[in-house]
Amino acid sequence: AQSVAQPEDQVNVAEGNPLTVKCTYSVSGNPYLFWYVQYPNRGLQFLLKYITGDNLVKGSYGFEAEFNKSQTSFHLKKPSALVSDSALYFCAVRDGNYGQNFVFGPGTRLSVLP
Amino acid sequence: DSGVTQTPKHLITATGQRVTLRCSPRSGDLSVYWYQQSLDQGLQFLIQYYNGEERAKGNILERFSAQQFPDLHSELNLSSLELGDSALYFCASSPQGTGIDEQYFGPGTRLTVT
Repeated sequence: AQSVAQPEDQVNVAEGNPLTVKCTYSVSGNPYLFWYVQYPNRGLQFLLKYITGDNLVKGSYGFEAEFNKSQTSFHLKKPSALVSDSALYFCAVRDGNYGQNFVFGPGTRLSVLP
Repeated sequence: DSGVTQTPKHLITATGQRVTLRCSPRSGDLSVYWYQQSLDQGLQFLIQYYNGEERAKGNILERFSAQQFPDLHSELNLSSLELGDSALYFCASSPQGTGIDEQYFGPGTRLTVT
C-alpha cells in the first residue's frame, strides 16, 4: 500500500527567503506525485505534479518540486516566499502500477512572516 | 473558483440520522472523488466514480454510500451518523479519472453531528 509522510507539521520562513516543504513517499510501483495547497475555509488547489520525465517540476505561483527516486522524496520549493503563500500544503501519491487510490499526507502548515 | 460545486455548505444533524451531500463536477469532467477531512485523521480518500461507475474505493465506511448519476453529479449518503462523522467533506473532479489527472476540489460541506 502507498503512503506519504510530511515530517514537519509547521514550517516558518521569512518573506523573501527560500522555502522548502518536505514530502517522502512509499509505493510499490511507479509514483504519481502531487502537491496541493489549502487556504483557510477553502478547498484544495492543485499546484503541480510529477508523472514521468524531468525530475524538476514547475507549477503554479512560482512553486517547483524535485522528484528524487533514490530518496523517495518530492519536496516542494519556492525561491522567494510571500506572505500570501501562508497556507496548508498537502503532498499526495498514487501508485501508478497498483490500484487507484490517492493517499494524502497529513499536511504542513507554512507560515511566511513579514 | 474551481468550478466544482457542493451543497449544502453546512449541515448540522443529530446522531443516528441520515444526510445526503451533493456535488456537481466541473463542466466536462467525468470523474468525481469524495474525501473526508477531520482534525485527527487528516484528508481521507473515500471513493471515486468515473462516468457513473465506481472506480476506486478508499476508507469508506459501510454506513456511507455514494453514486454518480447520468448527468455526472454525485451524491454521498451518510447514515446512522455518529459524533465522529463530524468533518469537512470534499468533492473533487478530474477530466478522465486516471492516475495522472490533477483534481479540482469543491469548497466542501461541513457536517456537524450533535
